[in-house]
Amino acid sequence: AQSVTQLGSHVSVSEGALVLLRCNYSSSVPPYLFWYVQYPNQGLQLLLKYTSAATLVKGINGFEAEFKKSETSFHLTKPSAHMSDAAEYFCAVSPNAGGTSYGKLTFGQGTILTVHP
Amino acid sequence: DTEVTQTPKHLVMGMTNKKSLKCEQHMGHRAMYWYKQKAKKPPELMFVYSYEKLSINESVPSRFSPECPNSSLLNLHLHALQPEDSALYLCASSQAWAASSYEQYFGPGTRLTVT
Repeated sequence: AQSVTQLGSHVSVSEGALVLLRCNYSSSVPPYLFWYVQYPNQGLQLLLKYTSAATLVKGINGFEAEFKKSETSFHLTKPSAHMSDAAEYFCAVSPNAGGTSYGKLTFGQGTILTVHP
Repeated sequence: DTEVTQTPKHLVMGMTNKKSLKCEQHMGHRAMYWYKQKAKKPPELMFVYSYEKLSINESVPSRFSPECPNSSLLNLHLHALQPEDSALYLCASSQAWAASSYEQYFGPGTRLTVT
């Protein structure tokens, strides 16, 4: 069975500082990986996805993530945080092979990002 | 247009009421989803429709009844809910269900309060 772990339920950075949100997956076969952002009282917005085309994936709003198979990780980064980045971020996985989980997104527990001036 | 719309934005209902949540997408997607999200938690999958047929029911209580009238619309009928059903209900769609690489697009959600 696949699972995803987000290290750190809360991350706080200063405006202009590097943002690093951690995501590790557990799967016998490298899955498809997604990062979503959720602003308060809103739905989820896709930031980026990994589908094996390239290990470094660029997304919207200046975010990017690197797939590292050896570390089973897909950490999200942004070089310079902006106040508008304050939100909750979810890492999610979907299997790329058959099984009962095929086609389903499994979400991590989420990381709340706070950006202070 | 990558928009999924949901109505209403907020809903307050008593435990004996019957209400419906609506979701619409015009992206030509053939898979649609209902999720339930409690505060400070990730979304939990409830139902998946693929080509207007119910493909997955994640053991959801029968007081929640989904319906897919056509490829663009998804409803969730609510009846005899419990206070613990209060949550944000999210609708999503994707190009197809069986292909896991397709991203899901989410609507803004309906904030449901059961009194």
